[in-house]
Amino acid sequence: SQQGEEDPQALSIQEGENATMNCSYKTSINNLQWYRQNSGRGLVHLILIRSNEREKHSGRLRVTLDTSKKSSSLLITASRAADTASYFCASMDSSYKLIFGSGTRLLVRP
Amino acid sequence: DTGVSQDPRHKITKRGQNVTFRCDPISEHNRLYWYRQTLGQGPEFLTYFQNEAQLEKSRLLSDRFSAERPKGSFSTLEIQRTEQGDSAMYLCASSGTSGQLYTDTQYFGPGTRLTVL
Repeated sequence: SQQGEEDPQALSIQEGENATMNCSYKTSINNLQWYRQNSGRGLVHLILIRSNEREKHSGRLRVTLDTSKKSSSLLITASRAADTASYFCASMDSSYKLIFGSGTRLLVRP
Repeated sequence: DTGVSQDPRHKITKRGQNVTFRCDPISEHNRLYWYRQTLGQGPEFLTYFQNEAQLEKSRLLSDRFSAERPKGSFSTLEIQRTEQGDSAMYLCASSGTSGQLYTDTQYFGPGTRLTVL
C-alpha cells in the first residue's frame, strides 16, 4: 500500500478537551500536510509544515514534525463539536503527489 | 468552497458502461491531481498534470482509465468498461501559483462519487 499510517484510528473526546493525532510516513519528504474531511465530502486543507520545520501553529492547531522518526502529530486544542470529522496527514516528496495516511476519525461530544 | 469544482457530484452506472468526470481547477494553478478514495480509507494518488503534460500515473490507473488536460485548464478522467471495484469517490486537486506566491498546498474539489451497479 502506498499509504502512511495514522494513530489512533478513532478518537472520542468531550468538548473542550484536546485531541492529538499521530501520523507516520515512509519516504523522505518536502512537506507534510494535514486535511480534514467531513463525512462524504471533500478535503479541507488545515496546515502545511515543511521538512525543515519542527513545529507550526494555526489558530487552535499545532503540528509537529520529526523527520528522523518520519512522524508528525496534530494537536487540536479546546475542541468543539464542529471539529468532528476525519483527519488525514499527507506527505509530499519531490514528485509533488500526496501520500495520505489512513485517517483518524474524531468525535467531539457536546 | 476551495475554488476547485467537479462535475458530476454523483454518478450511478451499470457495469461495463463508460463514465467521464470533469475537474475545473483554481484558474491560475498549473498542477492538477486526481485521487481515488474508498470508504474508510485515505485518498490514493492516481495521476497528475503540470499544465497539459501528464507527468505521473499510479499503478492503480489501469488501461481502462485515461485522463486528459487539454490546454492546461480543466481535466477529464474517463473510465471505460466500469467494474464494481471502480466504485469510489474521485477527487481532484490543484496547486501552483496564486498571485506572486507559489504553494505546494493542494486544494481539493468536492469529489465525484461513482457507484457501479
